[in-house]
Amino acid sequence: DGGITQSPKYLFRKEGQNVTLSCEQNLNHDAMYWYRQDPGQGLRLIYYSQIVNDFQKGDIAEGYSVSREKKESFPLTVTSAQKNPTAFYLCASSTVGGNSNQPQHFGDGTRLSIL
Amino acid sequence: GQQVMQIPQYQHVQEGEDFTTYCNSSTTLSNIQWYKQRPGGHPVFLIQLVKSGEVKKQKRLTFQFGEAKKNSSLHITATQTTDVGTYFCAPSDYKLSFGAGTTVTVRA
Repeated sequence: DGGITQSPKYLFRKEGQNVTLSCEQNLNHDAMYWYRQDPGQGLRLIYYSQIVNDFQKGDIAEGYSVSREKKESFPLTVTSAQKNPTAFYLCASSTVGGNSNQPQHFGDGTRLSIL
Repeated sequence: GQQVMQIPQYQHVQEGEDFTTYCNSSTTLSNIQWYKQRPGGHPVFLIQLVKSGEVKKQKRLTFQFGEAKKNSSLHITATQTTDVGTYFCAPSDYKLSFGAGTTVTVRA
């Protein structure tokens, strides 16, 4: 079945440590996105990529980094510069085309906590 | 991204009753998407509205886009326990911007 796979499901980070969240899709989608969700809030866009080897900052990119070396993969690194990383991280993908965003398909998410 | 306000933030509904959640913008939207997120789950796309005054139905769910394309609504009739979750509107320009959502709980 086609879909988006995020791993791990749960992740714990020590102070001063960088961690990388994995996101893989086999939907052949050009665009991929990373969101952060905190309790009682909507989804906030961290980074997005509409094509391989290119990505753009979203609304809350500070303390995060991404790469898009392959169409299928869009890993997110939470760096030690992100002082409040505890959150639910969601990866999504979509096709690209037309005058509007296409519907996004989401992975099951990664819950990151600080030890 | 475009900012929207969703009201109410929380909606507690008696099973079988109807309710409406609203998504309001101060600017004209090109189009808007709606998503549903079940507790502990991930957002799932429901619908996209593009035209002024557009109305779309999915079984007990009715989605509407305002004539001025500055607001949208989701109306659910005869609420069931399966309707529990958070409903997000997301206006889209070059990237999606999600509202804070309306979290719906249902009492049987």
